Amino acid sequence: GQSLEQPSEVTAVEGAIVQINCTYQTSGFYGLSWYQQHDGGAPTFLSYNALDGLEETGRFSSFLSRSDSYGYLLLQELQMKDSASYFCAVEAAGNKLTFGGGTRVLVKP
Amino acid sequence: EPEVTQTPSHQVTQMGQEVILRCVPISNHLYFYWYRQILGQKVEFLVSFYNNEISEKSEIFDDQFSVERPDGSNFTLKIRSTKLEDSAMYFCASSEAGVPGGSAQYFGPGTRLTVL
Repeated sequence: GQSLEQPSEVTAVEGAIVQINCTYQTSGFYGLSWYQQHDGGAPTFLSYNALDGLEETGRFSSFLSRSDSYGYLLLQELQMKDSASYFCAVEAAGNKLTFGGGTRVLVKP
Repeated sequence: EPEVTQTPSHQVTQMGQEVILRCVPISNHLYFYWYRQILGQKVEFLVSFYNNEISEKSEIFDDQFSVERPDGSNFTLKIRSTKLEDSAMYFCASSEAGVPGGSAQYFGPGTRLTVL
């Protein structure tokens, strides 16, 4: 089976940088995805890492270390609209996504 | 921008009744999924579907659940005899390609199912 651990909540001010860590245990692994979900909304794809290293997409970056079963999402130049829940998700056989419990990010002015 | 659509947005039903949740995936996508999210909890995988058959299903997806692609555009989830614990938000998703390509899964807005 799969299990993922990520912090439950992070608070930061506008303009700051936030790093959300994710550790996973899985019996099958193709890659690690990150999704954003605003309250009442649907998950929205942010990034995907299949290989070790850093992927950068605008203000958001994601990192993966397969040997450490660890990844993180880096949110830079935080904006109020970034207040949301962020989920890491392991991608495995059958295109199945197993989501972590989510990290609620609260951005304060 | 193409998007996944779902109907209805909210469904209220009595325990033991059958419900069908409907989804229209993005038109050029080949892989379809159903997930559910109980209020305040994480998103849980139910089933993936490709080439008119189930690719993978979770322990949640028991005999009460079934999926179908009745035509070229719709993708449905049927719950035969609803239970109180089926109350959740149900998300449909689709992707252009499957693993290990890492194709992003695009989620619909969800159907909130309330079982009374």
